[in-house]
Amino acid sequence: ETGVTQSPTHLIKTRGQQVTLRCSSQSGHNTVSWYQQALGQGPQFIFQYYREEENGRGNFPPRFSGLQFPNYSSELNVNALELDDSALYLCASSLDLQHTDTQYFGPGTRLTVL
Amino acid sequence: DAKTTQPPSMDCAEGRAANLPCNHSTISGNEYVYWYRQIHSQGPQYIIHGLKNNETNEMASLIITEDRKSSTLILPHATLRDTAVYYCIVRVPRGTGTASKLTFGTGTRLQVTL
Repeated sequence: ETGVTQSPTHLIKTRGQQVTLRCSSQSGHNTVSWYQQALGQGPQFIFQYYREEENGRGNFPPRFSGLQFPNYSSELNVNALELDDSALYLCASSLDLQHTDTQYFGPGTRLTVL
Repeated sequence: DAKTTQPPSMDCAEGRAANLPCNHSTISGNEYVYWYRQIHSQGPQYIIHGLKNNETNEMASLIITEDRKSSTLILPHATLRDTAVYYCIVRVPRGTGTASKLTFGTGTRLQVTL
């Protein structure tokens, strides 16, 4: 069974640029959630995708957007990067079954905005 | 989702049991208790979850009080590799009309020492 994978591992961008982060779900999972973790803080929920539709969103501006593909892999796009977007971006996949939708996390992508 | 309260840090000697407490006095009847841990700069790792009965798996045991207002995660024989931040999260699983996000607090930093 393949776990959740994310790419790239590290990324450096400059303010105002755009970035795309990728996530491959664990085999058999149909739901993907994205989190942002700033240094020294717990992860914060960005949004969740289920069957290619956004299923819920946290307190993040519209310049944070996502996609989920038919194979349940996912992308997180961030436009007009700001310095405060520097963080560890985490993807978690789960199987949408009531009472048992445990989320499993990937290793994360470390984004640095200069 | 209900808020949780955890001590900011704890120490444990290697080989001894680590008992990590969590208060969730406002938990609702359909909310589960989840535990994750995060080793430095890695993605959170799922440990265990439960509703009202005590649970045990290969990693840990979860003891939930009868009134469900608090719980304890037990690592029976802590090793240096268990040094991490441990997060206690209460949430309603998917299927109840809301995105099944995880709301992380600040967690407990467990330091296992020789």
